[in-house]
Parts: sequence; C-alpha cells; structure tokens
Amino acid sequence: DGGITQSPKYLFRKEGQNVTLSCEQNLNHDAMYWYRQDPGQGLRLIYYSQIVNDFQKGDIAEGYSVSREKKESFPLTVTSAQKNPTAFYLCASSTGFGGEAFFGQGTRLTVV
Amino acid sequence: DQQVKQNSPSLSVQEGRISILNCDYTNSMFDYFLWYKKYPAEGPTFLISISSIKDKNEDGRFTVFLNKSAKHLSLHIVPSQPGDSAVYFCAASEGSSNTGKLIFGQGTTLQVKP
Repeated sequence: DGGITQSPKYLFRKEGQNVTLSCEQNLNHDAMYWYRQDPGQGLRLIYYSQIVNDFQKGDIAEGYSVSREKKESFPLTVTSAQKNPTAFYLCASSTGFGGEAFFGQGTRLTVV
Repeated sequence: DQQVKQNSPSLSVQEGRISILNCDYTNSMFDYFLWYKKYPAEGPTFLISISSIKDKNEDGRFTVFLNKSAKHLSLHIVPSQPGDSAVYFCAASEGSSNTGKLIFGQGTTLQVKP
C-alpha cells in the first residue's frame, strides 16, 4: 500500500535534548512537508522540500532542522533551541505541482 | 498574518440536516482550495478541492462553493451524518508557485448529533 509513514506515534523527551522524527513515503512524490499542529490552531508549515538535497524554511522554522538525502525520506529534528516543542507533528507529500497533499498519521511529541 | 481564516471554531448540527463550514482568505494569488477532515491524533484526509476557475465542485454529499470576489469558500455537507463529526480544515495554495505548499485555516470542529 502506498502512503506516508511517520514514526514513532508518541515520543517523550527531556527538555534540552534534540529529537528526530521520521517520515517515509512510497508515493514517488517529489515534494515533502512538515507541519505542526497546536490546540486550537491550524497546521503551520515548518519546512518543505521540492526535490532531493534541497529544502526551504516555512513559517515557523526556528528551532527545527531537516534533511532530504533520499526522495522517500524527510526527517525532522526538533532541537533544544525550539522554545515550545510539545506539539503534534505532521508530515505530508505531494507531486509539488498543486493538488492535494497526503498526510501521515502524525507524531505526538511531549517534552518534559 | 493569517492568510486563511476559519472564523467559527465549532459547529453543531442535527443528523440529516445540512452542515455549512466557512473559510475566508486574503491572498488573491491563491488559485486552488482544499478541504481536509481530521480526527484526533490522526493525520488529515483529503475531502474535496476546487480550482479558482470554478465556483462549485460536488462529490457525493460534499459540495464546495467558491466566491472569488468575496475571497470566501464554503463546504456543504448534506445530509450530515454522525461519522462526519471531526475537525475540518480549509487550505489554499498558489499553483503558480509550483511548491505545492498549503496554507491552512485554524479548523472548525463539527459535531453531528444523532
């Protein structure tokens, strides 16, 4: 089955630690995205990538980093510089030329 | 600056009646609009979309209307069913940018009462 896989579903980390969220897709999509959802807010774009080895900052990139070494993979690192890291993180992919984006099931990150 | 706004945080309707969810946008460069449905602790799933060259798109019980002059779109669900209870997000993109980036509204929580 084609789709997007995010892992893990739940993640707990201590304050000050970096953590990496995994996102893999087998839809052969060129573009991939990371969004963050907070209670009562919409999805806000963190980073996106239209092609391997290239990525762009979204609206709330501070405190996050990404890499795109393979077409299928777009991991997100939440660094200790991110002031409010506890949130629901969503990865998505699309053809990159309009049309709908397909989302993974999300990762709930809790920093204690 | 919120480019896509859903001003109603919640909506409650009776089963079998019509649900109308609204969305406003400010960026006149947006030319493609989508609605997503989301259950708690899950990723959003695509529902229906509309291009700016149209003013209506229908798919079963779901219809999206676009009023470009008012920069307003709405999603109609008829008849509403209890399984429709979820958070609905509208999203917009600039097709000309070729990035596929979607800008989302804050979401509207729909509750359909049996």
